[in-house]
Amino acid sequence: DIQMTQSPSSLSASVGDRVTITCRASQGVNNYLAWFQYKPGKAPKCLIYAISTLQPGAPSKFSGSGSGTDFTLTISSLQPEDFATYYCQQYNSYPWTFGQGTKVEVK
Amino acid sequence: EVQLLDSGGGLVQPGGSLRLSCIASGFTFSNYGMSWVRQAPGRGLEWVSTISASGGSTYFADSVRGRFTISRDNFKSTVYLQMNDLRPEDTAVYHCAKLRLGNGADYFGQGALVTVSS
Repeated sequence: DIQMTQSPSSLSASVGDRVTITCRASQGVNNYLAWFQYKPGKAPKCLIYAISTLQPGAPSKFSGSGSGTDFTLTISSLQPEDFATYYCQQYNSYPWTFGQGTKVEVK
Repeated sequence: EVQLLDSGGGLVQPGGSLRLSCIASGFTFSNYGMSWVRQAPGRGLEWVSTISASGGSTYFADSVRGRFTISRDNFKSTVYLQMNDLRPEDTAVYHCAKLRLGNGADYFGQGALVTVSS
């Protein structure tokens, strides 16, 4: 199985901050890397797929980058609606696996 | 607009069974694979199962293989997750997900809460 390791597991930030979350895969995922936003009681939202492609409807303040086994999600200017938990996921091979999540909290 | 409506959750005793349903609308259901993911209390997201567009291929997490089955009815635009021999560790909110043509999930339902407890 491919292990996905996110860091940090949580962070505190203020409105307007630039936030970066990293994700490392235990082996290559052939560009099949996505980022999701999750809020309790809500449907998860896909933000980025194929490492850096913005999901239609996702705000452009979200961007993804990386290659090989190291990937990054960046929020350019944090807004109140962005406080949530973020997950990376590889869908290159079964079992699809998620990172453990990064909780973005209000500073 | 893509909409996925999860239902069928509830309280069940260990060893019991439950069937989740997910009714889809806003896209040509028969063209897309579908998945289920879950989030247990205090834990992260976990992929559970995937079914291909035709229903001919299915995949399962090791934690549920042999106990859960996934199926679909393309005439009813519905995907199902049959859960048997449920365990307390299966307690979670279960979300169905639509897959994009190139693979990977793009839309999710709001979830159905499954509680396994005596």
